[in-house]
Amino acid sequence: EVQMVESGGGLVQPGGSLRLLCAASGFTFGDYWMTWVRQAPGKGLEWVANIKYDGRETFYVDSVKGRFTISRDNAKNSLYLQMDSLRAEDTAVYFCARLEAYMDVWGEGTTVTVSS
Amino acid sequence: DIQMTQSPSSVSASVGDRVTITCQASQGISSWLAWYQQKPGKAPKLLIYAASRLQSGVPPRFSGSGSGTHFTLTISSLQPEDVATYYCLQASTLHLFTFGPGTTVDI
Repeated sequence: EVQMVESGGGLVQPGGSLRLLCAASGFTFGDYWMTWVRQAPGKGLEWVANIKYDGRETFYVDSVKGRFTISRDNAKNSLYLQMDSLRAEDTAVYFCARLEAYMDVWGEGTTVTVSS
Repeated sequence: DIQMTQSPSSVSASVGDRVTITCQASQGISSWLAWYQQKPGKAPKLLIYAASRLQSGVPPRFSGSGSGTHFTLTISSLQPEDVATYYCLQASTLHLFTFGPGTTVDI
């Protein structure tokens, strides 16, 4: 079964950092682009970042450029999102998803709350 | 950047009704459009990709159409389990995706 499980969310103060992990299983992880999508409380979906299957290309939404870094370890079937200089508006559920032109399989998400 | 709009923002219908949701792109995106269903507290689920292709395992009462800037998602006979929020997604700009604001479907 294709599956993604996110972890690493929690409560962090404004200006702080957090690293999210997405553990993938059930497919050849190194063959796929991967992505992070977030959803603020009561709001819609927002694409955050993509990473190429070999990790050599990354893309970000403008609002996180320079603060977030997407990376991966294909040997560990793992996707990461390093989030620095966090702001209140980054509060959201963060989903990882497999990218097959479109996000076709999603994890259940991990919650990030930025508050003092 | 490509912007996506959806209408209506919410719709209430009866079991068995035909429901149509519209998504419009601010510029042409060919058929680079997907539709997702999200139930409260759950991850989104891919229903339709490439504007009109049904994802494996999705009931055939769901269908998509359109190209360019105008797209529709149709539920041919609404079922209680279809209560959810539906989002369109444009994927035409290389790895700069945009979701629509969502349409809530109630019974």
